[in-house]
Amino acid sequence: GAGVSQSPRYKVAKRGQDVALRCDPISGHVSLFWYQQALGQGPEFLTYFQNEAQLDKSGLPSDRFFAERPEGSVSTLKIQRTQQEDSAVYLCASSWAAGQGNTIYFGEGSWLTVV
Amino acid sequence: QKEVEQNSGPLSVPEGAIASLNCTYSDRGSQSFFWYRQYSGKSPELIMSIYSNGDKEDGRFTAQLNKASQYVSLLIRDSQPSDSATYLCAVNVPDKLIFGTGTRLQVFP
Repeated sequence: GAGVSQSPRYKVAKRGQDVALRCDPISGHVSLFWYQQALGQGPEFLTYFQNEAQLDKSGLPSDRFFAERPEGSVSTLKIQRTQQEDSAVYLCASSWAAGQGNTIYFGEGSWLTVV
Repeated sequence: QKEVEQNSGPLSVPEGAIASLNCTYSDRGSQSFFWYRQYSGKSPELIMSIYSNGDKEDGRFTAQLNKASQYVSLLIRDSQPSDSATYLCAVNVPDKLIFGTGTRLQVFP
């Protein structure tokens, strides 16, 4: 596709439910990032992949959050036992390569509401 | 101290004026700096990148970088109501982008 594609666009989950958010990056992009954006805040870094390798997961807020990119293309962010504080927009972004100077492009986001 | 700091605003300017948005960062090793614009309910879109000290101009936008002062700014000339959005400053640290909280800009007719 032409851009970064995310699904679902909107998800309402009951507290305690598990959710899975999918990201399909721009074709050929090596690097893939997940960010969490709460209302009125800037995007907060969660994790980063280079191909299938998860090189940095320092931003994942708890062990309930898990991300994978098994074949170096599509990525899934999984949140187990969702809590109300998990309500946010989850943004996926990709770039040609890692490192300084490489522009990252964002998808439209997955809006998660935990009730 | 947050790695990237911005005034949250709102910054209100009249149509046709210059809007000045500022950002400071803490990592002296950062080499790449970006400004993203985010409309309400939409994802961030890149409007400017800058890598060297000085000014970089693109249309009505000018980015300014001062690495010694760890300061990045964005000037928007001839501001239009359509420029009303949140402007996010982002800094490479080193293989990921760290964002500020954003400055909300309001341009009134």
